[in-house]
Amino acid sequence: GDSVTQMEGPVTLSEEAFLTINCTYTATGYPSLFWYVQYPGEGLQLLLKATKADDKGSNKGFEATYRKETTSFHLEKGSVQVSDSAVYFCALRSPYNQGGKLIFGQGTELSVKP
Amino acid sequence: DAGVIQSPRHEVTEMGQEVTLRCKPISGHNSLFWYRQTMMRGLELLIYFNNNVPIDDSGMPEDRFSAKMPNASFSTLKIQPSEPRDSAVYFCASTSGRGTDTQYFGPGTRLTVL
Repeated sequence: GDSVTQMEGPVTLSEEAFLTINCTYTATGYPSLFWYVQYPGEGLQLLLKATKADDKGSNKGFEATYRKETTSFHLEKGSVQVSDSAVYFCALRSPYNQGGKLIFGQGTELSVKP
Repeated sequence: DAGVIQSPRHEVTEMGQEVTLRCKPISGHNSLFWYRQTMMRGLELLIYFNNNVPIDDSGMPEDRFSAKMPNASFSTLKIQPSEPRDSAVYFCASTSGRGTDTQYFGPGTRLTVL
């Protein structure tokens, strides 16, 4: 079945460092891909998404490119801030499922130190 | 828009008691999802509805858990009887279900079963 695998955390970086969080997926057909972020004590919220191969999603300085050939959707940011400390979830949505079900990865915790 | 509304935000109960969690999805959304999040198991999809009909309840842990969606603007997740291992944060999310529309999460209900 469809699945999403993320790099394990926690990831600890200093402020202004470069961030990469790896995400790979297994799916039939051409899924849509998402990154969600969960700040402490809150629900998940959409960070960015890409709906077809080679699309780049971007938001708040974060970027991810839909790579069909490597089945990847890695999250990057050039310069992280303390306020980026959160848990990041990669997810996919199959074109074949009914009602918008998402398959989530296990989440990667990011901690940014000043 | 008020977003997805969940109540209560916090619930503390004793083992054996019945617990009911409530969710109001975003108006116009026709898919609703119940998730459970724990440190040990991460984010788990329990059940989801499309047009008020349960589509997939394979994530419901056991018969003690039940969910209903009597109309498009209200859903409940009930645990009876509750056990300490049910302690978790329970999230409700909704989406229009069309295309690649985003899933919007509520703030969650933190349940503690003593």
